Amino acid sequence: NAGVTQTPKFQVLKTGQSMTLQCAQDMNHEYMSWYRQDPGMGLRLIHYSVGAGITDQGEVPNGYNVSRSTTEDFPLRLLSAAPSQTSVYFCASRRAPGRNTGELFFGEGSRLTVL
Amino acid sequence: GQQVMQIPQYQHVQEGEDFTTYCNSSTTLSNIQWYKQRPGGHPVFLIQLVKSGEVKKQKRLTFQFGEAKKNSSLHITATQTTDVGTYFCAGRGNNDMRFGAGTRLTVKP
Repeated sequence: NAGVTQTPKFQVLKTGQSMTLQCAQDMNHEYMSWYRQDPGMGLRLIHYSVGAGITDQGEVPNGYNVSRSTTEDFPLRLLSAAPSQTSVYFCASRRAPGRNTGELFFGEGSRLTVL
Repeated sequence: GQQVMQIPQYQHVQEGEDFTTYCNSSTTLSNIQWYKQRPGGHPVFLIQLVKSGEVKKQKRLTFQFGEAKKNSSLHITATQTTDVGTYFCAGRGNNDMRFGAGTRLTVKP
C-alpha cells in the first residue's frame, strides 16, 4: 500500500493563478482532510470529508474548494492564489468518521509558494 | 469554536534531560492524539487517549489525559537526539481533529 499520496511536492504560483493539489489514499478510508501548516501555528484544518459526496469546512476554508467524487481522491483547489496561501499543505485520512476512531495518516506534504 | 493550546512553543534540552509538553482544550474532548513530526517530514501518529485520567507509556514516553478530558501531557524521560522534532497534540471535536501549535524539541548531544 502506498498510503496517502500527495502531488505535487513543490509548486510556485503567481498571484491570481489557480491550481489543484491532488490527494489519493489506497486504504479505503472514509475520512479525508486537508491541513495547512504555517510556522508557529501548527496544523489548521481547511476542509474535510466523511465520505464520497460529503464535504465540510474546517477552521480556515476561505480561498479553497474541495470535492469528493470517490473514496480514494480528495483534491484541494485554489481558484485565485494569494501570497497568504503560501504554506505547506498536508492531506490526511483515517479509517472511519466515528467518534473514537484511530490515527490520521498523513501524506508527505505539498510546499506551495505564491509570489 | 474548539481551541487547542499547547505549551511551550520551543524547548531545548541537553541529551539525557527530561522533556514535557502540555496541551489544553477550551472544551471537553472525546479523545486526544499525539503526533511527532521530524524536521522536513510529515506528522506521524504516536498514541490516542480516550478515557478520563488515562496514562499510557511507550518506552521513554508517558502520555496522560486529564480527569476532565480537557488537558493532556507528553513526558519524555532521558531525551535522546532521535527525539528531535515537533510534537503535536490533537483534540477530537465533532467530526474533525484540531491540532495544537506544537512544541519544537531540540536536543544538544
